Amino acid sequence: GQSLEQPSEVTAVEGAIVQINCTYQTSGFYGLSWYQQHDGGAPTFLSYNGLDGLEETGRFSSFLSRSDSYGYLLLQELQMKDSASYFCAVSDSGGYQKVTFGTGTKLQVIP
Amino acid sequence: DAGVTQSPTHLIKTRGQQVTLRCSPKSGHDTVSWYQQALGQGPQFIFQYYEEEERQRGNFPDRFSGHQFPNYSSELNVNALLLGDSALYLCASRHIAGTSEETQYFGPGTRLLVL
Repeated sequence: GQSLEQPSEVTAVEGAIVQINCTYQTSGFYGLSWYQQHDGGAPTFLSYNGLDGLEETGRFSSFLSRSDSYGYLLLQELQMKDSASYFCAVSDSGGYQKVTFGTGTKLQVIP
Repeated sequence: DAGVTQSPTHLIKTRGQQVTLRCSPKSGHDTVSWYQQALGQGPQFIFQYYEEEERQRGNFPDRFSGHQFPNYSSELNVNALLLGDSALYLCASRHIAGTSEETQYFGPGTRLLVL
């Protein structure tokens, strides 16, 4: 089976940096993705790690350690609009992939 | 460039009924996946379609079935609805030979309420 663990809630101050961790136990692993979802909205893709290391996309960075079955999403220069739920997701293959999502981390950015 | 579209946006059904949800993928995408998202939970993978065939399936009963058409659009059918089927149903599309980013684009979802 597949399971992904994330903290359920995180609160951070506007302008600060926050890290959201994700640990996974999966029967197959191809890559780790991160998605953002605002209340009432659809998930939107943020970042993907197929190999170990850090990927940077603007204010967002994501890290993966395959040996530790661990990854994190780093959000810098937090803005109020970053208040949302963040999901890590594991894809089990590159082609006909099954994607398993974590339960999500609700981030609240406060002034 | 239109993104992923889904219809209807909202739907109310009663137990035992059947429902069909529809999805049109983003232009250039050929693979469609369906997810169920209960309130406060992450999306749960239902199945994936490519070349009009189901290629991967999650842990959902046979009451959940789908179809993909030659134009890559897709339908999700749920028979014998249960109260527990109330959820947001999301469609996501990608290109099977896409970049290593494996990016999926999600539609806005269909919110199904079963009474």
